[in-house]
Amino acid sequence: GQNIDQPTEMTATEGAIVQINCTYQTSGFNGLFWYQQHAGEAPTFLSYNVLDGLEEKGRFSSFLSRSKGYSYLLLKELQMKDSASYLCAVRDSGYGGSQGNLIFGKGTKLSVKP
Amino acid sequence: GAVVSQHPSRVICKSGTSVKIECRSLDFQATTMFWYRQFPKQSLMLMATSNEGSKATYEQGVEKDKFLINHASLTLSTLTVTSAHPEDSSFYICSARSPRANYGYTFGSGTRLTVV
Repeated sequence: GQNIDQPTEMTATEGAIVQINCTYQTSGFNGLFWYQQHAGEAPTFLSYNVLDGLEEKGRFSSFLSRSKGYSYLLLKELQMKDSASYLCAVRDSGYGGSQGNLIFGKGTKLSVKP
Repeated sequence: GAVVSQHPSRVICKSGTSVKIECRSLDFQATTMFWYRQFPKQSLMLMATSNEGSKATYEQGVEKDKFLINHASLTLSTLTVTSAHPEDSSFYICSARSPRANYGYTFGSGTRLTVV
């Protein structure tokens, strides 16, 4: 079956660094996405990994290990506005009937405190 | 580029009535759109995949006759919740595939449906 795990909640201090982990077990793999979602709003794209390694984008970095079925999102220099839910999503193979849709984890609610 | 407009953002309806949610791609042609539902503190759950000009593909457990999806043009997909019940109250989000948008996906702003 399809399974994506990430911690439910995390708390960090303003200015600090936080790492949000994601492990996945899916029937196919065609990329892993991280999204940020504020309550009542649609997800916004943060990062995309399809090859092993680290992708850096400003204060956000994302890492992928396909052999381990593991990814993490690293947020540096935390700001209060970073308080949100962070969703890990895997795109399946895109063949057959699935058409490459995204499978989402339940999200990690990050609270940034002063 | 690659903007998806979703309307309405909020809707309150009475039990037994139907509600239509629209998802429009404003500056690109969306051959495939996805409809998600999200309950409080839960993840986005894929309901169905719609392809322009053909029938939608529904995920297991999603009632086709209750959640009607129409993708009649390359820029518009609609989700109609028929005979709505309070348990249908949720946050509905559409997503469209676009090669120009974040490696293929852009999301609408979501619709908060409350059935009373």
